[in-house]
Amino acid sequence: DIQMTQSPSSLSASVRDRVIITCRASQGIRDDLAWYQQKPGKAPKRLIYDASSLQSGVPSRFSGSGSGTEFTLTISSLEPEDFATYYCLQHNTYPWTFGQGTRVDIK
Amino acid sequence: QVHLVQSGAEVKQPGASVQVSCQTSGFTFTSYHFHWVRQAPGERFEWMGRINPNTGDTNYAQKFQDRVNMTRDKSMKTAFMELSRLTSDDAAVYYCARGRVSMDVWGQGTPVSVSS
Repeated sequence: DIQMTQSPSSLSASVRDRVIITCRASQGIRDDLAWYQQKPGKAPKRLIYDASSLQSGVPSRFSGSGSGTEFTLTISSLEPEDFATYYCLQHNTYPWTFGQGTRVDIK
Repeated sequence: QVHLVQSGAEVKQPGASVQVSCQTSGFTFTSYHFHWVRQAPGERFEWMGRINPNTGDTNYAQKFQDRVNMTRDKSMKTAFMELSRLTSDDAAVYYCARGRVSMDVWGQGTPVSVSS
């Protein structure tokens, strides 16, 4: 199985901070990566697909980059509603696998 | 409006089976695959498998291969996931999700508890 390693596991940040989350795949997955946001008690919401394409309706402060084995999710200016947990997902090879998550909380 | 609405919470005894349904609306049911993912407390998401509702073809994660069954009813526009021989390790929230490429829309989740 392809292992997905996210870093950091958690971070504390302030409103208007720039936040970068990294996801590393144990083998190349081209750009077959998505990013999700999850709030407590809710289903995940897709933010980014194909590594860098912004999901319709998602604010432009979210962006994704990378290909192969290294990927990043960037929040350019953190808003109060962005405090949540973020996950990457590789959909290149079955079984699809997720990162362990990055919890973003208020400093 | 695209909706995936899952069946309600379940409490099962060890060794039992559970079936979770995922009723869809707002899009063409046969145009998307349906994936099942679970999240146990404190654990990362775990992809269980997917079904092509048009053909009924499935792909299962090897971990669940011998005790999961994913089906669909095209007339009801509903996907189903059955997991058998439950243990305490199967206690989790189970999600269905629509996907062509990755998963774009998710159901609300179905909590499954396993307890004697």
